[in-house]
Amino acid sequence: DQQVKQNSPSLSVQEGRISILNCDYTNSMFDYFLWYKKYPAEGPTFRISISSIKDKNEDGRFTVFLNKSAKHLSLHIVPSQPGDSAVYFCAASEGGSEKLVFGKGTKLTVNP
Amino acid sequence: KAGVTQTPRYLIKTRGQQVTLSCSPISGHRSVSWYQQTPGQGLQFLFEYFSETQRNKGNFPGRFSGRQFSNSRSEMNVSTLELGDSALYLCASSLGRANTGELFFGEGSRLTVL
Repeated sequence: DQQVKQNSPSLSVQEGRISILNCDYTNSMFDYFLWYKKYPAEGPTFRISISSIKDKNEDGRFTVFLNKSAKHLSLHIVPSQPGDSAVYFCAASEGGSEKLVFGKGTKLTVNP
Repeated sequence: KAGVTQTPRYLIKTRGQQVTLSCSPISGHRSVSWYQQTPGQGLQFLFEYFSETQRNKGNFPGRFSGRQFSNSRSEMNVSTLELGDSALYLCASSLGRANTGELFFGEGSRLTVL
């Protein structure tokens, strides 16, 4: 049973526009959520996270929103840049554990 | 500072063989986690070691094992390889305190089982 789901395998947006990547989870015990970015032939790199006690966290052009009642989070990138093109993984953890449960990723393509 | 280093980067084995993968964490990091990435299942947690002790374990068969040394370097071993073990194996390190989200991943070891 997949506890973290990213239902869109791919997303294509124009440079300068907003990218919205979505993630749903089923385990109500998750209390920390993260987004990782992965380029081909490289390991994932941490991008932004949010604790379950918050509903929004911003880091420059990247903002993560958490809707606990809907068990849904989203990553907004605005404005999108071609260098943002990568696979984005949503991940969740429970109780501060290093054990992360990952979604299957969304491939973002930002077109110049 | 140097990142997470995984060796070997690529390897080919045949069914029934065993394989050992190595991971050197970032200096000062005491936690090392291992993940398997496949096209069908995505990234799946194998296990985590902290101060030479396995602290968390995923849902993988006993053929998958690991250990951590006193210098925090870690190895994972897969015995009696199956075709389905073909995957990218990623190691990640962290300080090991309450999760801040920052797992630092290596570039992975790509295993092909023929």
